[in-house]
Amino acid sequence: LAKTTQPISMDSYEGQEVNITCSHNNIATNDYITWYQQFPSQGPRFIIQGYKTKVTNEVASLFIPADRKSSTLSLPRVSLSDTAVYYCLVGALNYGGSQGNLIFGKGTKLSVKP
Amino acid sequence: SQTIHQWPATLVQPVGSPLSLECTVEGTSNPNLYWYRQAAGRGLQLLFYSVGIGQISSEVPQNLSASRPQDRQFILSSKKLLLSDSGFYLCAWSVSRGSQETQYFGPGTRLLVL
Repeated sequence: LAKTTQPISMDSYEGQEVNITCSHNNIATNDYITWYQQFPSQGPRFIIQGYKTKVTNEVASLFIPADRKSSTLSLPRVSLSDTAVYYCLVGALNYGGSQGNLIFGKGTKLSVKP
Repeated sequence: SQTIHQWPATLVQPVGSPLSLECTVEGTSNPNLYWYRQAAGRGLQLLFYSVGIGQISSEVPQNLSASRPQDRQFILSSKKLLLSDSGFYLCAWSVSRGSQETQYFGPGTRLLVL
């Protein structure tokens, strides 16, 4: 199973762009990279998912280099409400259905200050 | 659209008492279902997952059990709760698209064992 490494915490100010990098040196060919956001006392919320290069949606962008051994979640112009824990996961289905191999680490606690 | 429900939202139980947490999913069929536990300040720990009715896989041996009596219903149980069972319990569902999987989480149940 691919293990991920993220910074434990990051600080930012409102209006800044925030980039959170995740290392996953042992990523497998079939693995996708997924990022979740979690607020206190709530379930994680899906943000973005990608396999390679760049993915962008209305919330964030995900940059994945060619070797796929790392990925960067980019949050444009953060606000106070973006203060949360962000989890990077890598994993994929095994044949025949999920083997439950999407492993959540401790995530990155992002604090946005006014 | 798909929705996932968990109840109760909060629960305080004495040590040694039984437990039953319920999770239901609407708007999808044959989902993969998951139970996670999150201790205070920790990442998510996968407890059980299910790819179909009556099919349960356990990730961590403990005094908890899971059942899936219906396609979109997932139940977490215990015969005798321990203090260490306190935590935030999250149910999640996913549908596979090839090797790509995205999990969507419920609102969670906060359990305090005294």
